[in-house]
Amino acid sequence: IAGITQAPTSQILAAGRRMTLRCTQDMRHNAMYWYRQDLGLGLRLIHYSNTAGTTGKGEVPDGYSVSRANTDDFPLTLASAVPSQTSVYFCASSDSFGGSTGELFFGEGSRLTVL
Amino acid sequence: AQKITQTQPGMFVQEKEAVTLDCTYDTSDPSYGLFWYKQPSSGEMIFLIYQGSYDQQNATEGRYSLNFQKARKSANLVISASQLGDSAMYFCAMRESSGTYKYIFGTGTRLKVLA
Repeated sequence: IAGITQAPTSQILAAGRRMTLRCTQDMRHNAMYWYRQDLGLGLRLIHYSNTAGTTGKGEVPDGYSVSRANTDDFPLTLASAVPSQTSVYFCASSDSFGGSTGELFFGEGSRLTVL
Repeated sequence: AQKITQTQPGMFVQEKEAVTLDCTYDTSDPSYGLFWYKQPSSGEMIFLIYQGSYDQQNATEGRYSLNFQKARKSANLVISASQLGDSAMYFCAMRESSGTYKYIFGTGTRLKVLA
């Protein structure tokens, strides 16, 4: 049972470099999300996608971009990383149309350090 | 705008006692879902309980119950008979069910169960 797979699990990155965090789900969920978790700030929504081909901005979208070319994949790109983007990033998915509660299923997180 | 507030950064409870974790929310959407998640020190996110805005009864799942007071816009989590394994970070979350389906979180409450 895979669920949601994130890669890499951990990365140290020089400021100014481009970085893509990968996220793949095998549950055929329509909705996918990217969050960052910082101490004292909880989980903050970066971007989301309700269905393949659509994306939307969350609470803290600046400096990040996403794409949703198909149902399974939802990569998050930092075009030019800055130290304030040091965080733990969680990808999540949910079945918001299937009549279920729509709870989120999370990946294991990607710890990113920008120096 | 959608907002979740958790005002208790940290809580202590004696083993076998009950504890209430507070959550208030704000939304203009008449249809929404409220969720609680647990994050142990290992870092994974675990779904605990769900309450729909139109549900007449408070949700319960084993030792977890959700005290839903719609008029006050509160969705407090009650954990009965606390166990040492309940020590973790707890997040309240809300998903609007019309339009964007954004899914946002509060800042969390760290619960420590004392032996």
